[in-house]
Amino acid sequence: DIQMTQSPSFLSASVGERVTLSCRASQNINKYLDWYQQKLGEAPKLLIYNTNNLHTGIPSRFSGSGSGTDYTLTISSLQPEDVATYFCLQRNSWPRTFGAGTKLELK
Amino acid sequence: EVQLVESGGGLVQPGRSLKLSCAASGFTFSNYYMAWVRQAPKKGLEWVATISTSGSRTYYPDSVKGRFTISRDNAKSSLYLQMNSLKSEDTATYYCAREGMNFDYWGQGVMVTVSS
Repeated sequence: DIQMTQSPSFLSASVGERVTLSCRASQNINKYLDWYQQKLGEAPKLLIYNTNNLHTGIPSRFSGSGSGTDYTLTISSLQPEDVATYFCLQRNSWPRTFGAGTKLELK
Repeated sequence: EVQLVESGGGLVQPGRSLKLSCAASGFTFSNYYMAWVRQAPKKGLEWVATISTSGSRTYYPDSVKGRFTISRDNAKSSLYLQMNSLKSEDTATYYCAREGMNFDYWGQGVMVTVSS
């Protein structure tokens, strides 16, 4: 199984700050990497698919990049509504595997 | 508007069975793979099962293989998860998700508690 490692586990940042979250796969996942946002008490929501494609309706301050085993989610200017836990998911092979998540809070 | 509504959760004893349902609307159900994803309390997400458009292909992680069965009824736009031989570690919120090139839409989730 492909292991997905997210870092950091917890991040505190200020409104307007640029934020970068990382996800590392245990082997090459050929850019089949999605990012999901989960707010407290809600279902996860797709943000970005296939490394750098923004899902419908997602603000342009969110962006993704990466290749091989290393991937990044960037929020260009953090907003209060971005407080959430962010999960990465690899879809390169079965079983699908999620990272453990990065919890993002406001400083 | 895409909607996915799960039902069938509840409290069940270890070793017993439970069947979850997911009613889909707002899209052509038969055109999409569908999946179940779960989340144990205060934990991360775990993919549980995926089914192809016709139902002919199913996929599971080792943690549930042989105990859980995913199925679908395209005429009713419904997805199911039959869970047998339940264990305490199966306690989680179970989400139904549409699986196109990704899990692009999710239901609100249904809680399953396995406890004596």
